[in-house]
Amino acid sequence: DTAVSQTPKYLVTQMGNDKSIKCEQNLGHDTMYWYKQDSKKFLKIMFSYNNKELIINETVPNRFSPKSPDKAHLNLHINSLELGDSAVYFCASSRKTLDRTHNEQFFGPGTRLTVL
Amino acid sequence: GQNIDQPTEMTATEGAIVQINCTYQTSGFNGLFWYQQHAGEAPTFLSYNVLDGLEEKGRFSSFLSRSKGYSYLLLKELQMKDSASYLCAVPRFSGGYNKLIFGAGTRLAVHP
Repeated sequence: DTAVSQTPKYLVTQMGNDKSIKCEQNLGHDTMYWYKQDSKKFLKIMFSYNNKELIINETVPNRFSPKSPDKAHLNLHINSLELGDSAVYFCASSRKTLDRTHNEQFFGPGTRLTVL
Repeated sequence: GQNIDQPTEMTATEGAIVQINCTYQTSGFNGLFWYQQHAGEAPTFLSYNVLDGLEEKGRFSSFLSRSKGYSYLLLKELQMKDSASYLCAVPRFSGGYNKLIFGAGTRLAVHP
């Protein structure tokens, strides 16, 4: 199946731990994104990579570090987890960078992170 | 900056028609997207408007008025499976790239 996949789907961990979320897309897209959706369901962009290059870096604590080993993969590593990091994290991809043309984003199933 | 406003919640009856409004303020316009998100699932693309007017796609239609900074999503012949959140989103050009800015979403509950 062509899709955006994420692992793990659920992640429960203690405050202070370090964790990673992985994302892969087999759609042949150049651009990938990480979004955070909080308890109020507000979906907010965190990072975007285009062909392994970081192009969008929102005001996110530097405890969050994305890494793109190739254009089909975008991982998110979070250090020293805090209670406020609890949210659903969505990975997404698109053909290009929404450069003034219709360019829908395809979302992964999400990773529900719970920090205790 | 970018402000996007949409109602928080709406309810409707199966078989009816519902209109979900979205108003936006943007310094440059590059189109408007609607996404559907069922509870516990990923958002999925519904529509994209860049020109004024109505775009129809089956039971769903999306309307745009650029001069008014206004869009709506029209859902006809509502089905129970249409119960979901509907997210309005506009691209914002920043640092040479566009990124999607989402509204808070409208949670639609369809009742029998």
